Amino acid sequence: EAQVTQNPRYLITVTGKKLTVTCSQNMNHEYMSWYRQDPGLGLRQIYYSMNVEVTDKGDVPEGYKVSRKEKRNFPLILESPSPNQTSLYFCASSWTPGLDYGYTFGSGTRLTVV
Amino acid sequence: RKEVEQDPGPFNVPEGATVAFNCTYSNSASQSFFWYRQDCRKEPKLLMSVYSSGNEDGRFTAQLNRASQYISLLIRDSKLSDSATYLCVVNTNAGKSTFGDGTTLTVKP
Repeated sequence: EAQVTQNPRYLITVTGKKLTVTCSQNMNHEYMSWYRQDPGLGLRQIYYSMNVEVTDKGDVPEGYKVSRKEKRNFPLILESPSPNQTSLYFCASSWTPGLDYGYTFGSGTRLTVV
Repeated sequence: RKEVEQDPGPFNVPEGATVAFNCTYSNSASQSFFWYRQDCRKEPKLLMSVYSSGNEDGRFTAQLNRASQYISLLIRDSKLSDSATYLCVVNTNAGKSTFGDGTTLTVKP
């Protein structure tokens, strides 16, 4: 089944404790992206990757890191999480972003930082 | 001013009604446009792409107006199952994507 898999689905952590949210897709998509969604706001892009070893900042990259060492994986790293990073996170992938292909989203990761 | 502006609603309509959502964008370099549907904070799911020539899929019609920089979604004969949040998305071909904040639709019996 074609899908984007995020783990974990739910995570409660403490301020300052490094964490990684994994994202993997099995569709051989070139493009992957991370978003956060907060109440009353739409999805805001954190980082995106056009292909392996190519990553770029989105609108809200502060406090996050990403890497794209392989096409299928695009982990999101929070080196020192803070309470304002409590949010619902989505990973998405696509063939290419600017053409007529929509994104396939993962099921989301609900992160709480206390 | 936000790059993508979307009427947040909520829209409360009776079954069978026709409802239209609009979304305006400010980046003239935008290349592709989509409407997504999101249920109860689950992952967004692609509803349809949006083209200048218009795009119709059953009861749903999407339209792009590049000159005025807005996209629209029309839902005819609304069903209870159409109740959801509808998100417009505007992408550049450089990878940047910007979502609207979403419009909430509730269809009532």
